[in-house]
Amino acid sequence: GAGVSQSPRYKVAKRGQDVALRCDPISGHVSLFWYQQALGQGPEFLTYFQNEAQLDKSGLPSDRFFAERPEGSVSTLKIQRTQQEDSAVYLCASSWGESGRLGDTQYFGPGTRLTVL
Amino acid sequence: TQLLEQSPQFLSIQEGENLTVYCNSSSVFSSLQWYRQEPGEGPVLLVTVVTGGEVKKLKRLTFQFGDARKDSSLHITAAQPGDTGLYLCAGDPDSWGKLQFGAGTQVVVTP
Repeated sequence: GAGVSQSPRYKVAKRGQDVALRCDPISGHVSLFWYQQALGQGPEFLTYFQNEAQLDKSGLPSDRFFAERPEGSVSTLKIQRTQQEDSAVYLCASSWGESGRLGDTQYFGPGTRLTVL
Repeated sequence: TQLLEQSPQFLSIQEGENLTVYCNSSSVFSSLQWYRQEPGEGPVLLVTVVTGGEVKKLKRLTFQFGDARKDSSLHITAAQPGDTGLYLCAGDPDSWGKLQFGAGTQVVVTP
């Protein structure tokens, strides 16, 4: 596909369930970012991959959150034992270069809306 | 914690009117970006401003970066319903792509 795709688009989980959110970046993009967007707020950074290496996970809210990108393309964000405060839209973005060079645009996917009941 | 403050939070105007939204920070940024986000979609980059005092125009949209590189504004002339959306400003304080976003300004343009 031409853009970043994410699946599922919507996910409803019962409190305590584990969920896995998938991101397919633009082919050939080296950098991949995950953001969390709460209702009425701007996106907040979660984690960053350069190829398969997770270089920054400082934004992950707790050790219940885990992200991987084993082959340097598709990435999965996993949330264990979901809580109601995890309800949000999870956005994935990819960019061409190895770092945030000026002019290196981040292209965002449509997001996965997670609702925890 | 979001370092970028956007105002107003919500703006509703009639088609043909002008509007300005603001993005302010106490921190200096090497660059600021403006995005527009529509319901059910991710943010889409509109512009990046780099130089203090810089003005960039994109059709009816005018973006300005403050001289001190702590604030920015977006002005829309003769707004159209297609301009409806959430406008987000974002900065990259560490200069490697880890964007920090403001909370956004929701703009609604009615015919």
